[in-house]
Amino acid sequence: GDQVEQSPSALSLHEGTDSALRCNFTTTMRSVQWFRQNSRGSLISLFYLASGTKENGRLKSAFDSKERRYSTLHIRDAQLEDSGTYFCAARQGGSAKLIFGEGTKLTVSS
Amino acid sequence: EAAVTQSPRNKVAVTGGKVTLSCNQTNNHNNMYWYRQDTGHGLRLIHYSYGAGSTEKGDIPDGYKASRPSQENFSLILELATPSQTSVYFCASGETISNERLFFGHGTKLSVL
Repeated sequence: GDQVEQSPSALSLHEGTDSALRCNFTTTMRSVQWFRQNSRGSLISLFYLASGTKENGRLKSAFDSKERRYSTLHIRDAQLEDSGTYFCAARQGGSAKLIFGEGTKLTVSS
Repeated sequence: EAAVTQSPRNKVAVTGGKVTLSCNQTNNHNNMYWYRQDTGHGLRLIHYSYGAGSTEKGDIPDGYKASRPSQENFSLILELATPSQTSVYFCASGETISNERLFFGHGTKLSVL
């Protein structure tokens, strides 16, 4: 079955608002990485986490350090350029394979 | 920032033909990967490699071969292309096991007619 479940599948925000994306894992994961795919199809790495939280500008990501079964990506003060599809991807212990979720399509409007 | 270069960027192939997608990375990463992405879906792993001479099956390896002749290069080979292999293919490279961040190429759009 699917090991990485993202929610929501689509999200519409007005400029200036805040929101959060979530990834649930059906099993314990060693690390998680978040990507944004832009309109040209390029995958841009946003965060890599093995535990805890990381912040970069208006984006902040957290990885549940206890049970390692979920991760979140918070977007603060959304801007038009944040639009795109956001993917999380996770690794199980002892594996080099990165397992992707289905993505969240984010649309930010003025 | 790590550089991963894929070629070609676009490819049209005929059913039954052979297709080779190439990937080059210049950051001395051990691990390299091939994924495909279909409309409305996430990325699915086809093959990956731990280093020169190594290839491993991913989650959807059927119909694909891989070749890692050197640390820098990782190829994906479709010996007998089929229309179901029409997709966008992404190559990625990764750092050591202690820091597993992946860097992706820009993708190759393959159409099999």
